[in-house]
Amino acid sequence: AIQLTQSPSSLSASVGDRVTITCRASQGISSALAWYQQKPGKAPKLLIYDASSLESGVPSRFSGSGSGTDFTLTISSLQPEDFATYYCQQFNSYPLFTFGPGTKVDIK
Amino acid sequence: QLQLQESGSGLVKPSQTLSLTCAVSGGSISSGGYSWSWIRQPPGKGLEWIGYIYHSGSTYYNPSLKSRVTISVDRSKNQFSLKLSSVTAADTAVYYCARVRDGDYPGGYFDYWGQGTLVTVSS
Repeated sequence: AIQLTQSPSSLSASVGDRVTITCRASQGISSALAWYQQKPGKAPKLLIYDASSLESGVPSRFSGSGSGTDFTLTISSLQPEDFATYYCQQFNSYPLFTFGPGTKVDIK
Repeated sequence: QLQLQESGSGLVKPSQTLSLTCAVSGGSISSGGYSWSWIRQPPGKGLEWIGYIYHSGSTYYNPSLKSRVTISVDRSKNQFSLKLSSVTAADTAVYYCARVRDGDYPGGYFDYWGQGTLVTVSS
């Protein structure tokens, strides 16, 4: 079964910082990767799909890149509302839907 | 605007069956190009996919839960349901229903989510 790892598991950053989160798949998944943002007590929100496509309504400071096994989520200029936990999810390989363990972004 | 709303028992005794329903409004559950799924999140932990039902009615479950999971759809009520049998404390979690946007890959991604409902397994 495919596994996803995320790094770092947590990070502290300041408003205005550029933030990069990495997701690595244990085997190639083409571009079948999505990114979600989750705030405490709320459902996850889709940010990026197909590795680099921005979901409608999501601010352009969010971007995704990568294919195969290595992927990144970048926040170009961190805003106060961006402090949250971010998850990657693959949808190409057995068991068809797998989430990464999450990366918590908090205030420095 | 599509909305999903989970409902069901918030407290289930060990060894019993957890039952939840997701009511879909603002769109048809029979729309092509979409499937429907359940995901859960134990308190303080990450997300775990449980299973999904394709718009054709076929189902696919997480292998780790497959023997205990049933997902079904009631198109007349525009809703789908989850049953998880033989529950233990390890099944305590917030349960989310979500829409899966199908595309060029075997699976899909979750574009609409319900607010989630906490289910506690305890005697």
